[in-house]
Amino acid sequence: GAGVSQSPRYKVAKRGQDVALRCDPISGHVSLFWYQQALGQGPEFLTYFQNEAQLDKSGLPSDRFFAERPEGSVSTLKIQRTQQEDSAVYLCASSALVGAGNTIYFGEGSWLTVV
Amino acid sequence: GENVEQHPSTLSVQEGDSAVIKCTYSDSASNYFPWYKQELGKGPQLIIDIRSNVGEKKDQRIAVTLNKTAKHFSLHITETQPEDSAVYFCAAKDFGNEKLTFGTGTRLTIIP
Repeated sequence: GAGVSQSPRYKVAKRGQDVALRCDPISGHVSLFWYQQALGQGPEFLTYFQNEAQLDKSGLPSDRFFAERPEGSVSTLKIQRTQQEDSAVYLCASSALVGAGNTIYFGEGSWLTVV
Repeated sequence: GENVEQHPSTLSVQEGDSAVIKCTYSDSASNYFPWYKQELGKGPQLIIDIRSNVGEKKDQRIAVTLNKTAKHFSLHITETQPEDSAVYFCAAKDFGNEKLTFGTGTRLTIIP
């Protein structure tokens, strides 16, 4: 597709439930990012992939959060045993190259509500 | 790590007037500064960016200025239109680090 595609767009999970959020980056993009955006806040970095390698996961808030990109294209962000504080928009982004100055394109986000 | 501050948090301007949003960053190694526009229910959309080797960049009604000495950069929107109403985020990225650090956002409202 033309842009970064994320699914599901909206997810309501019961506390304690596991969720999986999918990201299809722009075709051929090397870099893939996950960000978390709480209501009224700016996006906060979670993790970064270069192809299939997860090079930075410093932003993952706990070991309940796990991301993978096994074939260097589609990525999945998994949240285990969801808690109310996990409610947020999860944004996926991609860029064509590595290095400063490469344009990063965002998807529409997956809105997660934990009840 | 990098810290980006953004002001103001809300801004209302009359249609046709100019709007200015300012950001400061803490890490002198940062060398890439994009601006994103986010409409309700949508993801951030890049509107303009600037790299550290230039001081100003313009694209039609939108311009960005960068002062590396003072570590601040600004977004200027001229001849504002109702469709400019949105939340705007500045961000910074440093050399050798792929992640963007975002400001807290500015809610811009254009008054018809």
